[in-house]
Amino acid sequence: EVKLVESGGGVVQPGGSLRLSCAASGFTFSTYSMTWVRQAPGKGLEWVSYIGSRSRTIYYSDSVKGRFSISRDNAKNSLYLQMNSLRVEDTAVYYCARDSTFYCSRTSCFSDSWGQGTLVTVSS
Amino acid sequence: EIVMTQSPVTLSVSPGERATLSCRASQSIGSNLAWFQQKPGQAPSLLIYGASIRATGIPARFSGSGSGTEFTLTISVQQSEDFAVYHCQQYHNWPLTFGGGTKVEIK
Repeated sequence: EVKLVESGGGVVQPGGSLRLSCAASGFTFSTYSMTWVRQAPGKGLEWVSYIGSRSRTIYYSDSVKGRFSISRDNAKNSLYLQMNSLRVEDTAVYYCARDSTFYCSRTSCFSDSWGQGTLVTVSS
Repeated sequence: EIVMTQSPVTLSVSPGERATLSCRASQSIGSNLAWFQQKPGQAPSLLIYGASIRATGIPARFSGSGSGTEFTLTISVQQSEDFAVYHCQQYHNWPLTFGGGTKVEIK
């Protein structure tokens, strides 16, 4: 069974930093691309960042580019999101998700498994 | 950026009735569209990918159709467990983008 467990969320002041982690199990983590998606309270889903299976390809949404950094440790089956210079508008539940390896477009893919999310609250 | 627009925002359906949800892309995305179901307090879960292919374990009452810019998710016979928010997502181009969601509520 695929399992993704996020951790590291909490309350932080504007301008602060947090590091989210996602522990993966039940599949060969090193062969899958991974994604972070967030959802502000009462709002829709927003894609945040993508990392290829070997970390060679990384993308960010414009809203977090230059402030967030995605990484992974395939030896530890773990995905990370380093969040710096946090803003009030970054308040959201952050989900890590595994990307499918089939029926993808030429450039990207959908996520076929999601964690339960971790809440990040940016407030003074 | 490809903008995804879902309609309606809220859909009131009686159990046993059909529910039809729409998703429109601001430019052609081929069949590179996924639908997700999200129940209160839970993470999204994959329903449909490739615009019309049901994910593993998804009941046949869920069907997806469309290509290019116009897509539809149909729940043929609404069950009590189907009341949720439904999100569409394009994975044709970066950045990946989602629609605003459609909440299917009990009428």
